[in-house]
Amino acid sequence: SYVLTQPPSLSVAPGRTARISCGGDNIGRKSVHWYQQKPGQAPVLVIYYNSDRPSGIPERFSGSNSGNTATLTISRVEAGDEADYYCHVWDSSSDHRVFGGGTKLTVL
Amino acid sequence: EVQVVESGGGLVQPGRSLRLSCTTSGFTFRDYAMSWVRQAPGKGLEWVGFIKSKTYGGTGEYAASVRGRFTISRDDSKSIAYLHMDSLKTEDTAIYYCAREGQQWQFDYWGQGTLVTV
Repeated sequence: SYVLTQPPSLSVAPGRTARISCGGDNIGRKSVHWYQQKPGQAPVLVIYYNSDRPSGIPERFSGSNSGNTATLTISRVEAGDEADYYCHVWDSSSDHRVFGGGTKLTVL
Repeated sequence: EVQVVESGGGLVQPGRSLRLSCTTSGFTFRDYAMSWVRQAPGKGLEWVGFIKSKTYGGTGEYAASVRGRFTISRDDSKSIAYLHMDSLKTEDTAIYYCAREGQQWQFDYWGQGTLVTV
């Protein structure tokens, strides 16, 4: 089965840039989606199809995907960005959906 | 406005069954695949399974951890998806979320979740 690997945690100072990675075999050939989940809340889609933003998501959120790594970039990090972030792909070989283990973003 | 609401969670004994409902509105339900995702206490997101729209056969796929025990169905006339859970185990304890799948298989709308405790 397809495996996505994320760092468990990342700490960033306010105003700086956070880059959260999501590793997978030839992930650059897949469409990657990213979700933000705050404590006690349902996940929210922040990036889909590698780099598209749903309406209402700030331009500070961007995504890229190439080779074996996809990246969610959050520019000018704010205290309100503190959350867990998950990457997700569709594995065409099994028709299964796969999540990464999640990255806890802490804003210092 | 798209709305997704789960219901049916609760406390159940190991080995018993439970059915969750995912009631939707604000979009043409029959045109979309629907997935179930769960989150055990303090853990990450785990995809449980999905059901295709009838246009694509209405069939489903399941994660290995639940295959043979869980079944997803849909009632397009009521815009509801169901998760039938049999032979429940303590490790099935989790918040269960229902999510709509977009054109790129992204989960674009989620419910608030329903807690199942086994």
